[in-house]
Amino acid sequence: QQQVKQSPQSLIVQKGGISIINCAYENTAFDYFPWYQQFPGKGPALLIAIRPDVSEKKEGRFTISFNKSAKQFSLHIMDSQPGDSATYFCAATVLGNFNKFYFGSGTKLNVKP
Amino acid sequence: GAGVSQTPSNKVTEKGKYVELRCDPISGHTALYWYRQSLGQGPEFLIYFQGTGAADDSGLPNDRFFAVRPEGSVSTLKIQRTERGDSAVYLCASSSGPGQPQHFGDGTRLSIL
Repeated sequence: QQQVKQSPQSLIVQKGGISIINCAYENTAFDYFPWYQQFPGKGPALLIAIRPDVSEKKEGRFTISFNKSAKQFSLHIMDSQPGDSATYFCAATVLGNFNKFYFGSGTKLNVKP
Repeated sequence: GAGVSQTPSNKVTEKGKYVELRCDPISGHTALYWYRQSLGQGPEFLIYFQGTGAADDSGLPNDRFFAVRPEGSVSTLKIQRTERGDSAVYLCASSSGPGQPQHFGDGTRLSIL
């Protein structure tokens, strides 16, 4: 049973456009939701994270929107650049449970010049 | 280097063989995690160490998999009687403690022929 469901599987966006990736979860005990960026041959790198006590968090061109009642959260990449082309993973965990992260299946983003 | 180091970066071996994968966490990080990432999937939790002890090994798929961290720093993931289904990228991550961001290494790509 997949704890975190991610969509779309792949995404093509023009340079300067907005990339949107969505995730949904079932376990209401989850209280930490990070997004990771992964380039080929590299490990995932933390991009941005949110706690459920806020509905939005913004860091530069990256924004997480969080909807607690719908059990959904999404990553928005504004002014997408070719260098953003990578695979993005959402994740969720219960911080008190030793940070056992559950990852989504990933979204491969391709930003065209 | 300042990051998480994993060796070897690639490992090819025959079915039935024994393999060891090594992880050097960031200096001073007490928490260490192992994940397995199959092609086109997100990382899947295997085991978590806090210090020398395995605080959560619920993700280990069966008793062929074992991990140690004898001195609370370097960790070794050991796989006995390897099977073709064990082929994946094995990722290690470390953090300064529960609730802190996890920093991933670039993984070991294991191929079982």
